[in-house]
Amino acid sequence: EDQVTQSPEALRLQEGESSSLNCSYTVSGLRGLFWYRQDPGKGPEFLFTLYSAGEEKEKERLKATLTKKESFLHITAPKPEDSATYLCAVAYTGGFKTIFGAGTRLFVKA
Amino acid sequence: KAGVTQTPRYLIKTRGQQVTLSCSPISGHRSVSWYQQTPGQGLQFLFEYFSETQRNKGNFPGRFSGRQFSNSRSEMNVSTLELGDSALYLCASSLEPSSGSSRTGELFFGEGSRLTVL
Repeated sequence: EDQVTQSPEALRLQEGESSSLNCSYTVSGLRGLFWYRQDPGKGPEFLFTLYSAGEEKEKERLKATLTKKESFLHITAPKPEDSATYLCAVAYTGGFKTIFGAGTRLFVKA
Repeated sequence: KAGVTQTPRYLIKTRGQQVTLSCSPISGHRSVSWYQQTPGQGLQFLFEYFSETQRNKGNFPGRFSGRQFSNSRSEMNVSTLELGDSALYLCASSLEPSSGSSRTGELFFGEGSRLTVL
């Protein structure tokens, strides 16, 4: 069964304390793995797309990496404004749908 | 460039009623997907439309239906509402990848329609 699992469910960090979020997936024929950020009461906002193992993407304090079975979202020196829910999602060949993990709620304290 | 627009943003219904939600995708995007988001289940896929055709459907009862118009705008309908239908309904549009392109169509979401069923 195609599925996406994210860990941890919640993560509390002090400002400046770097960490990583994990996303493991089991799909046949990966077309793309996506990371989104969602703020309370808002729709998810696209961050990155990764297509193949070994690929990396960076944006400000965020860096996403991909292996054959999982992806990591590394957060370097986070700030309180990075507090949000981070969602991982995958699209697979011929599926015409994107399936999401349950998300990691990140809290960054000043 | 205007984003994805969903209407209404908030609505309250009672059990047994029906509801119609609307979604206007980003100009040029022909694929529209709908998701239900609840605290316990996260984002659950409802259906995806492309050029007025439903290409995939999630595991939801037949009370949930949708359609897409020739201008790519989409609507979803929920009939005979139940308490458990209370959720944030999100619409997302994407640019279908062109032949040979490595892009796979990241989703651009609207702000959602929050449905409360009493």
